[in-house]
Amino acid sequence: AQKVTQAQTEISVVEKEDVTLDCVYETRDTTYYLFWYKQPPSGELVFLIRRNSFDEQNEISGRYSWNFQKSTSSFNFTITASQVVDSAVYFCALSDRVAKAAGNKLTFGGGTRVLVKP
Amino acid sequence: DSGVTQTPKHLITATGQRVTLRCSPRSGDLSVYWYQQSLDQGLQFLIQYYNGEERAKGNILERFSAQQFPDLHSELNLSSLELGDSALYFCASSETRDRFSGANVLTFGAGSRLTVL
Repeated sequence: AQKVTQAQTEISVVEKEDVTLDCVYETRDTTYYLFWYKQPPSGELVFLIRRNSFDEQNEISGRYSWNFQKSTSSFNFTITASQVVDSAVYFCALSDRVAKAAGNKLTFGGGTRVLVKP
Repeated sequence: DSGVTQTPKHLITATGQRVTLRCSPRSGDLSVYWYQQSLDQGLQFLIQYYNGEERAKGNILERFSAQQFPDLHSELNLSSLELGDSALYFCASSETRDRFSGANVLTFGAGSRLTVL
């Protein structure tokens, strides 16, 4: 069964500090996708990034970067130079290819609340 | 605005009642998903529809049912409500054109917050 673990329940930082969110996943599939979503105080879930299982190249997009390590089943996410507007709950999610059906079940971690103080 | 519309935004009802949550997907998206977010269970996948047909089922209770209509909007029906059904219910949609459907990005609506008293 799929499982996503976000061990950090809450992180508090001061503005301009970097924040790294940990995510560990379990799946028996060889093809899968990993996502990060953000849930600001307003409540909606906002897509941030997606990574597939066959490309371990880490990337940077603006102030966001991610570190995907298949060997340790981890998909960590970093916000560089955090801002108050980054305060939100961040969810890591896992999706695998469902055989014989166009299903797309996202399994979410428990979320990490990030509080950025001015 | 994500393009996924959910109504109502808030709903307060009593135990034993029945409610219907409505979702309009983004224009062009064929798949609709329902998720439940509660404090104790976190974000749980309930059910997925693709172009009117049920495609995947998660932890959806028998008291809950859903459908997707020909115009692609979807409704989630919750009946015999219990206190524990109080949660934020999200609808999401995706294109589902990618052969490896797990790659599809889900776009979420703002959610419907249900409070059962």
